Amino acid sequence: EAAVTQSPRNKVAVTGGKVTLSCNQTNNHNNMYWYRQDTGHGLRLIHYSYGAGSTEKGDIPDGYKASRPSQENFSLILELATPSQTSVYFCASGDRGQAPLFGEGTRLSVL
Amino acid sequence: QQKVQQSPESLIVPEGGMASLNCTSSDRNVDYFWWYRQHSGKSPKMLMSIFSNGEKEEGRFTVHLNKASLHTSLHIRDSQPSDSALYLCAASTTNAYKVIFGKGTHLHVLP
Repeated sequence: EAAVTQSPRNKVAVTGGKVTLSCNQTNNHNNMYWYRQDTGHGLRLIHYSYGAGSTEKGDIPDGYKASRPSQENFSLILELATPSQTSVYFCASGDRGQAPLFGEGTRLSVL
Repeated sequence: QQKVQQSPESLIVPEGGMASLNCTSSDRNVDYFWWYRQHSGKSPKMLMSIFSNGEKEEGRFTVHLNKASLHTSLHIRDSQPSDSALYLCAASTTNAYKVIFGKGTHLHVLP
C-alpha cells in the first residue's frame, strides 16, 4: 500500500535551534514535496524535488533548506528556527500528472 | 508565480442540500486539477481529479472543468454532516513538477 511517513509527528523547538523534519515514501515516486499549513493560508509549497539529489525552491523557501539523498527520503531543515515557523508541515510524494499523496503531518512549535 | 484562488472561503449548507465550490488558476498552462478533502486534524486526501473539459461524476460528487477560463468547480449533492471539512483545490502543469494549492473552502453541513 502506498505510504508516506513523516517523523517526528510532534516537535517543540527553541528559537535559534536546528530542526530536521524527515519524510520517507515507499511508493517509488519521483517527486516529493514539503508544504506548510496555517489557518487562512491553505497549503503553501516550501521545497520540492523531482528525484534523488535534486531540490527546488517552492513559493516560500526562505528560512528552510531541503535534502533528497535518495528516492525514498526527503528532509526539511530549519537551521535557525523562529516562532514564525510554528506550523503544521506536510510531506507528499507523487509523479508528474498524479495527485500528491500526503503523510500525516508534523506539528512544529517554536518557542 | 502561479496562484490558485478558491471561493467561497466558507460555506454552510443544510443536510441533504447541494454544496458548490469554485477554483480558478492564474496559470494558462495548467493541465491538471485535483480536489482534496481534509477533515479536521487529518491530512489532505484526494477526492477527485479532472484534466479535460467537461464533467465527471462519482457518486454524490461532480466536478466540472472549463479550460478556457481555467475554472473548475466541485458540487456535492445530498450533503452529509460527514462532508464537513476543508476542501482544497490543487493545480499543476505538464512541464512543471510543482503542485500549487488554494487556500481552501470550509464546508459546514448542518444536521
